[in-house]
Amino acid sequence: SQTIHQWPATLVQPVGSPLSLECTVEGTSNPNLYWYRQAAGRGLQLLFYSVGIGQISSEVPQNLSASRPQDRQFILSSKKLLLSDSGFYLCAWSVQIGGLATKFANTGELFFGEGSRLTVL
Amino acid sequence: GENVEQHPSTLSVQEGDSAVIKCTYSDSASNYFPWYKQELGKGPQLIIDIRSNVGEKKDQRIAVTLNKTAKHFSLHITETQPEDSAVYFCAAAIHSGSARQLTFGSGTQLTVLP
Repeated sequence: SQTIHQWPATLVQPVGSPLSLECTVEGTSNPNLYWYRQAAGRGLQLLFYSVGIGQISSEVPQNLSASRPQDRQFILSSKKLLLSDSGFYLCAWSVQIGGLATKFANTGELFFGEGSRLTVL
Repeated sequence: GENVEQHPSTLSVQEGDSAVIKCTYSDSASNYFPWYKQELGKGPQLIIDIRSNVGEKKDQRIAVTLNKTAKHFSLHITETQPEDSAVYFCAAAIHSGSARQLTFGSGTQLTVLP
């Protein structure tokens, strides 16, 4: 079965410090990978998505970057954190439509990790 | 781009009563409408979805209805239980195979009072 792991679960960082959040997916190949940020009362904002190794699409201009060094690894980074970067970050994966012939191939379902709570002080 | 609005932002109901959450979308080309449930401290999980060729779908105590003409869809939970307490998100997408999939609503905090 497929699983998604995200870490760390909680993080408290000073302003100006770097950030690295990691996400790995097991049990599937060539997934679409996503980073979302969840702010109170503002739902889920898509930050980045990736359809393959080294392929990153950014949805909103910001202080963050993403990388996909391996097929099932997705990393969210920042060189210098801002107070406004505080939030709950969620990694997710989905089957690439037209890829694996599984029951998920036509649903577009997103599978989320447990999330990482980032507090910037 | 697509814009999804969700109401109410908070909802409290007595155990056993029904709960209804409503969403509207802007892009008439959207054809896939999932609902996600997020329990405290966890990531969202899909609970039910509906496609534009269907007007209603049920799964035990939950149901979703879709009005394509009015561009709105709703989640209905009957006989609510305390374990239904969570944040619920609606979403909309044009299911074309693109990785840029879902636009989410802002969420509804549902509290079921015992």
